[in-house]
Amino acid sequence: DVKVTQSSRYLVKRTGEKVFLECVQDMDHENMFWYRQDPGLGLRLIYFSYDVKMKEKGDIPEGYSVSREKKERFSLILESASTNQTSMYLCASSFLTGLTEAFFGQGTRLTVV
Amino acid sequence: AQKVTQAQTEISVVEKEDVTLDCVYETRDTTYYLFWYKQPPSGELVFLIRRNSFDEQNEISGRYSWNFQKSTSSFNFTITASQVVDSAVYFCALSLGSSNTGKLIFGQGTTLQVKP
Repeated sequence: DVKVTQSSRYLVKRTGEKVFLECVQDMDHENMFWYRQDPGLGLRLIYFSYDVKMKEKGDIPEGYSVSREKKERFSLILESASTNQTSMYLCASSFLTGLTEAFFGQGTRLTVV
Repeated sequence: AQKVTQAQTEISVVEKEDVTLDCVYETRDTTYYLFWYKQPPSGELVFLIRRNSFDEQNEISGRYSWNFQKSTSSFNFTITASQVVDSAVYFCALSLGSSNTGKLIFGQGTTLQVKP
């Protein structure tokens, strides 16, 4: 079974904190993605990576950065958390060609207070 | 511009009713892929189906069926004889062949509630 695992299901952080969301996949996928899910907006792409140390901005990268030091791990970083970053964050992975489906983690619900 | 629209925000049906979830997409690419995902209360998106732009054949999988019509840019999803376990948020998504990155463009999602 393909497994995409996110380190936390729920997180509560204070405004201004640096926040790390971790994602690990075990299928040797080249592509990894971070999406943000908000009611009425669906899922929006924050960043994606198609190889180690490679990254590209998605549709809403402002306020976020990412790190991919190993193929299986993709981290989302909120440099200084703000209340408008309260959301559900979903990690996904897929093979490089993009012709197959993406597999998703269980999501991290982040609340910034 | 690429876009996916799921006009139905919420649908509520009684068990055993049939229900259709609508999905309309926009793209100028000739090669693209359409997906449906299910998100149960546990949160993880579960892949249901992938269709490429050259294959308009409808598909049936058990109680699920999909109707792909390029003429109307629609990829609708029908659940026959709905069950309580079908209650979830359903997302339609688009991936472009030209980008070849696997990036998905999602619709807003439709929340389906199936009542016993």
